[in-house]
Amino acid sequence: AQTVTQSQPEMSVQEAETVTLSCTYDTSENNYYLFWYKQPPSRQMILVIRQEAYKQQNATENRFSVNFQKAAKSFSLKISDSQLGDTAMYFCAFMKHVMRGGSEKLVFGKGTKLTVNP
Amino acid sequence: DTGVSQNPRHKITKRGQNVTFRCDPISEHNRLYWYRQTLGQGPEFLTYFQNEAQLEKSRLLSDRFSAERPKGSFSTLEIQRTEQGDSAMYLCASSLPQGGRETQYFGPGTRLLVL
Repeated sequence: AQTVTQSQPEMSVQEAETVTLSCTYDTSENNYYLFWYKQPPSRQMILVIRQEAYKQQNATENRFSVNFQKAAKSFSLKISDSQLGDTAMYFCAFMKHVMRGGSEKLVFGKGTKLTVNP
Repeated sequence: DTGVSQNPRHKITKRGQNVTFRCDPISEHNRLYWYRQTLGQGPEFLTYFQNEAQLEKSRLLSDRFSAERPKGSFSTLEIQRTEQGDSAMYLCASSLPQGGRETQYFGPGTRLLVL
């Protein structure tokens, strides 16, 4: 079974600064995907960024980038130029690659509560 | 279509009562997932549908839980004889297979409180 660990329950950052959220995972799979989801207070979860395990290049989406270290099973999220709207719970998630028709369920970590201070 | 919707958004019930939640996925999505999220935890997988077929159920889904997706569109999750431990946020997500580029889109959730 896969497990996802987020070791930082809470973090805070000043507006416009950079923050890095940590995530490690455990799996025996070779083909899989990793995700960061954002859950703002009282709002629904949205995808921030995804990474395919077979890609060596780290994914980037505007101010969000990841540091994917496959051998170390580490997948951290860097948020640059933090904005007040980035305040949310951030969840790291794992999904193994399955054959057609199989469940591509997500396995989530416990989350990191990020607060961006003005 | 603006996304995945769930109803009700909040439900308070007494222990022992039955409750039913509804999820309407994004219209062209043929995959639908239910997750449960308790305080301080990430969401945990409950069950998965492809079209109307329920293809996987978690061990978390006791025999008091049943889910359906009768026409491959909306889905319902029913909890019979609710217990206080069932108090949680129930999340629904839908997706469309895209050759490994699948993204699950989540609804706002139904928050259940069992008294």
